[in-house]
Amino acid sequence: SQELEQSPQSLIVQEGKNLTINCTSSKTLYGLYWYKQKYGEGLIFLMMLQKGGEEKSHEKITAKLDEKKQQSSLHITASQPSHAGIYLCGADLAYSGAGSYQLTFGKGTKLSVIP
Amino acid sequence: NAGVTQTPKFQVLKTGQSMTLQCAQDMNHEYMSWYRQDPGMGLRLIHYSVGAGITDQGEVPNGYNVSRSTTEDFPLRLLSAAPSQTSVYFCASSYSGPTNNYGYTFGSGTRLTVV
Repeated sequence: SQELEQSPQSLIVQEGKNLTINCTSSKTLYGLYWYKQKYGEGLIFLMMLQKGGEEKSHEKITAKLDEKKQQSSLHITASQPSHAGIYLCGADLAYSGAGSYQLTFGKGTKLSVIP
Repeated sequence: NAGVTQTPKFQVLKTGQSMTLQCAQDMNHEYMSWYRQDPGMGLRLIHYSVGAGITDQGEVPNGYNVSRSTTEDFPLRLLSAAPSQTSVYFCASSYSGPTNNYGYTFGSGTRLTVV
């Protein structure tokens, strides 16, 4: 079974609409990372959450880590065509104090924004 | 600042051939890793290194070999290519391991097809 479940798998929204992508784990998340991948390119780091209840924003993208540290959501406000791509969450699921050095990724959410 | 450079960008191999995927970073990052990305499977860790001379296996290491003789370079060797190794390969690096405030820096990927 997938250790990090992302939902939805794909999303098509009209430009200007808000949207939310979720990342759920059955284990406690020690460091939750959000990345964006444009088609055919590498991954771009968006933000990292570590503390339960933490919320970070970058331009029109906001990410939260719930209090129990088992789910994170990525919210895009007033979506634009430039937001289109694949959003992936990654997490350290085997935290050992010093860091496990193995980041597990979800399968990604494909976002299309229609002008 | 070039970041993480992967070569080649595209490669077609015949079954049984061997080749090396190159990865170089100029950020003096200690931690480097190789992932493969397959449709429906997400990103899976192949091998990683926490410093020159130190490597370890990830989730899917079979059929791949790595070495880390310098901080800058982390080549991935396919010993005897198989069609199951058709994938997009990403190299990533970070200063202090994946659980840090800056995430990974990813290369732009190598698209490998094995026929």
